[in-house]
Amino acid sequence: AQSVTQLGSHVSVSEGALVLLRCNYSSSVPPYLFWYVQYPNQGLQLLLKYTSAATLVKGINGFEAEFKKSETSFHLTKPSAHMSDAAEYFCAVSEGNNDMRFGAGTRLTVKP
Amino acid sequence: EAQVTQNPRYLITVTGKKLTVTCSQNMNHEYMSWYRQDPGLGLRQIYYSMNVEVTDKGDVPEGYKVSRKEKRNFPLILESPSPNQTSLYFCASSPTTTDTQYFGPGTRLTVL
Repeated sequence: AQSVTQLGSHVSVSEGALVLLRCNYSSSVPPYLFWYVQYPNQGLQLLLKYTSAATLVKGINGFEAEFKKSETSFHLTKPSAHMSDAAEYFCAVSEGNNDMRFGAGTRLTVKP
Repeated sequence: EAQVTQNPRYLITVTGKKLTVTCSQNMNHEYMSWYRQDPGLGLRQIYYSMNVEVTDKGDVPEGYKVSRKEKRNFPLILESPSPNQTSLYFCASSPTTTDTQYFGPGTRLTVL
């Protein structure tokens, strides 16, 4: 079965600095990969998703992620952090077999 | 407005008292799912449904029941709640398992 590992439960960056949130996956077939964001006291909303069309995926709010098959990674990046990016981020994988597996989440803190 | 609604948003109950958390979506989605979110564990799938009258177990189904009598509704039933079911619960829906999932606002359940 597919699985996801998010490296780092907490990441702290300064405003304007690069954001890098790491995600590694395990899948026996070409996966569908997702990044979701959860703001305080809210449900999850999609940031971006990979469905094999292009390895570099651009999402909302300036985020992007690159699918690297050789490294089984799907890291999330943003060139310049904003205070409003403070949230919890979840990586998720699906093999199209009716279930979705989420990582444990990474809480991003942005310092002024 | 396209949305997933859950009720109640907050619930405090006692061990053994049956409860139901409702979930409804207005997007005509085939796929619906329930997750629980616990600190350090991310989201874990409880049950999912591919369509009306079709449900299946996720990773942590013990102590929960679901039904899908109508396409729009997918209630989560706890027949005899226990303290280890204290958690934050999310309902989600999507056209298929590989599409973007739309999440409800969450239900915070405390079982004393």
